[in-house]
Amino acid sequence: NAGVTQTPKFQVLKTGQSMTLQCAQDMNHEYMSWYRQDPGMGLRLIHYSVGAGITDQGEVPNGYNVSRSTTEDFPLRLLSAAPSQTSVYFCASSYSSSGPYEQYFGPGTRLTVT
Amino acid sequence: DAKTTQPPSMDCAEGRAANLPCNHSTISGNEYVYWYRQIHSQGPQYIIHGLKNNETNEMASLIITEDRKSSTLILPHATLRDTAVYYCIVKGRRIYNQGGKLIFGQGTELSVKP
Repeated sequence: NAGVTQTPKFQVLKTGQSMTLQCAQDMNHEYMSWYRQDPGMGLRLIHYSVGAGITDQGEVPNGYNVSRSTTEDFPLRLLSAAPSQTSVYFCASSYSSSGPYEQYFGPGTRLTVT
Repeated sequence: DAKTTQPPSMDCAEGRAANLPCNHSTISGNEYVYWYRQIHSQGPQYIIHGLKNNETNEMASLIITEDRKSSTLILPHATLRDTAVYYCIVKGRRIYNQGGKLIFGQGTELSVKP
């Protein structure tokens, strides 16, 4: 299994540009989520999904959209990039949303918005 | 979710046991204790979790006190590759009902020295 994969690893955007961060998992996990990590702030939840076709907002959803059309993929869209979205983004997945299951994290996407 | 308190940093000699404490005095009966770690620039990695009994896996042991108000993660023979930030997280069983958020806090920065 490849686990959780994220692309790209690095990205530089100009203010106002849009892009999609890709996340895929091959473990048939029900639950997937996106976090961002900023220095001194820890990881903060952006959006999550408990299954295909079901998504919901985390604590910092503004400026981001998600969809979950398949079990495997959970892309994160930046609609109009802002310098405040410069961060490291991690995707995570878990077997189920209704049990004490561990979450598996991807390697991250490092995004810089100028 | 209950709040956790961890020392900000610890040192350990290579080959010795690393004992990382965590205080979670407000933990409720259905909340689990999870440990994750984050090696520099990588995604967080699950280590172990437990409810009341001590747990052991190939990576570590988790000792939970009888009153469940604190726990200790033990890396039995620390190596240089165990240098990372270690996060103790308390969370209820149902990820969905709690938004799936793992509250990572500041963690303990463990430095394993030769």
